[in-house]
Amino acid sequence: QKEVEQNSGPLSVPEGAIASLNCTYSDRGSQSFFWYRQYSGKSPELIMSIYSNGDKEDGRFTAQLNKASQYVSLLIRDSQPSDSATYLCASTFSWGKLQFGAGTQVVVTP
Amino acid sequence: GAVVSQHPSRVICKSGTSVKIECRSLDFQATTMFWYRQFPKQSLMLMATSNEGSKATYEQGVEKDKFLINHASLTLSTLTVTSAHPEDSSFYICSARDWSDGNQPQHFGDGTRLSIL
Repeated sequence: QKEVEQNSGPLSVPEGAIASLNCTYSDRGSQSFFWYRQYSGKSPELIMSIYSNGDKEDGRFTAQLNKASQYVSLLIRDSQPSDSATYLCASTFSWGKLQFGAGTQVVVTP
Repeated sequence: GAVVSQHPSRVICKSGTSVKIECRSLDFQATTMFWYRQFPKQSLMLMATSNEGSKATYEQGVEKDKFLINHASLTLSTLTVTSAHPEDSSFYICSARDWSDGNQPQHFGDGTRLSIL
């Protein structure tokens, strides 16, 4: 059973602070990893993809991947109220299928 | 970026009705599309993989006769929920990936909220 684990939260973050989200995965064969943001009642929206060990930055978002530890993280700098959402970690397995974590709810407080 | 269109966005119908949901890739060809279901406060669960020109492959526990999938062209997949009952009420989301570009992620449609009375 392929598994992706995330803390469900909620993660409460003051506006302007850094939100740190973590994710672990069980399938050592996974090659691609994604972070999706999902607002309540909406479908997921891709915010970051990462394929190799290390850090990848895109605006206020930084994804980190450590394949040896089977660990993926997402940092959100200068958190804004509009960042309040559920963040889904996902990894690929056979034929491009995605395995999703349960999601971490982030609440940014003014 | 890749755009996936899903229609309708919301359906409310009586028990026993069959409901068809369409998923289109607008600016790329998608030989494979994916159908997910999401219940409130739960994560996305993959239901099936839709393959252009061949039969869909269903995840364990998903009834293929209940959830009919047709992928007749490189840009269109349809999911039909046959004889829907209240327990089928859920948020159904499709996704597609541009397979012509190696590591491209899946892009999601806006979802269809299905309510069976």
